[in-house]
Amino acid sequence: AQTVTQSQPEMSVQEAETVTLSCTYDTSESDYYLFWYKQPPSRQMILVIRQEAYKQQNATENRFSVNFQKAAKSFSLKISDSQLGDAAMYFCAFANAGGTSYGKLTFGQGTILTVHP
Amino acid sequence: EAQVTQNPRYLITVTGKKLTVTCSQNMNHEYMSWYRQDPGLGLRQIYYSMNVEVTDKGDVPEGYKVSRKEKRNFPLILESPSPNQTSLYFCASSLTRHTQNEQFFGPGTRLTVL
Repeated sequence: AQTVTQSQPEMSVQEAETVTLSCTYDTSESDYYLFWYKQPPSRQMILVIRQEAYKQQNATENRFSVNFQKAAKSFSLKISDSQLGDAAMYFCAFANAGGTSYGKLTFGQGTILTVHP
Repeated sequence: EAQVTQNPRYLITVTGKKLTVTCSQNMNHEYMSWYRQDPGLGLRQIYYSMNVEVTDKGDVPEGYKVSRKEKRNFPLILESPSPNQTSLYFCASSLTRHTQNEQFFGPGTRLTVL
């Protein structure tokens, strides 16, 4: 079974600064996807960025980028030029690309990000 | 507008009173699933459905039932709710179960069982 661990229950950052959220995972699979979801106070789950395990290049989406270390099973999210609207709960998630459980998202515990003006 | 809808958004009920949380999507998605979110545990999958009349258990199915009689609808049924089912519930859908398809989440249903 896969597990996803977010060891930072809470993080804070000053507006316009950079913050990195950590995520580690455990799997015996070689083909999988990793995701970061944002959950603002509205509770809506919003996909921020995703990474395919077979791609060595780290994914980027505007101010959001990841540091994917496959051998270390680490998948951190970097938010540059933080904005007040980035304040939310962030979830790291894993999904197999095949096998009987594929389609299912396995989530970490979440990290609450506070952005200070 | 492409979306996943859930009803009700908030529900307070008592132990043992059967309830149904509805989920509907208008994107002709084959794959649908239910998750529950609890503090410190993240989201965990309850049940999923790969298509009409095809459902299977996720990681935490105890105390829940689902049905998939139509492609667009995937209701979650709690036949005898208990306080440990107090949680935030999300329905999600994607085109197919293939992981490259983005999963779209509903707005969530906050359930309190007294």
